[in-house]
Amino acid sequence: GAGVSQSPSNKVTEKGKDVELRCDPISGHTALYWYRQRLGQGLEFLIYFQGNSAPDKSGLPSDRFSAERTGESVSTLTIQRTQQEDSAVYLCASSERGRGLDEQYFGPGTRLTVT
Amino acid sequence: DAKTTQPNSMESNEEEPVHLPCNHSTISGTDYIHWYRQLPSQGPEYVIHGLTSNVNNRMASLAIAEDRKSSTLILHRATLRDAAVYYCISWVGGSEKLVFGKGTKLTVNP
Repeated sequence: GAGVSQSPSNKVTEKGKDVELRCDPISGHTALYWYRQRLGQGLEFLIYFQGNSAPDKSGLPSDRFSAERTGESVSTLTIQRTQQEDSAVYLCASSERGRGLDEQYFGPGTRLTVT
Repeated sequence: DAKTTQPNSMESNEEEPVHLPCNHSTISGTDYIHWYRQLPSQGPEYVIHGLTSNVNNRMASLAIAEDRKSSTLILHRATLRDAAVYYCISWVGGSEKLVFGKGTKLTVNP
């Protein structure tokens, strides 16, 4: 079946502009995760959605970052007033159940470059 | 602060076993420990996960300490294809946040 998909695959934007990143999880997966990976660095957890529960947003780097998910479908990560330090690969993953019960399947990522 | 700590790098010879350690001192009693790896220029891929007892799959084994504050990923016979950064992940107890180790870069020598 189809895996996790993300769009766009690449995004170049000017400093100060807003960007929206999209993640389509595997159908039937209740949990969805967003991560950031800066060049040459490790994975950084951003936020986790589980079913219809309200997510803990404290992992988002700043108030310019927001994330939404409608039910158990698509999720969007929005970055307002982008800064150069936002340049990174943004990865999305989904799992059948949440809270670490199952393995996460990762999407190919969105490479964001802020000029 | 919640912490998951791993050595920055390790080296192994091909066909030899590799033991990759991780400390996750703030893990709660009911959360799983996960290991993922990231090959060069690729996205992360799942390796193994476990709760309390040792776990085995076709890729690796996971040995979990009795107090669950640490775990060890075991690659029984390292191959050149196992060269990657290995991440240990645990949940912050009582929260909806994941904590990643900074990853161990494994080099496998032929």
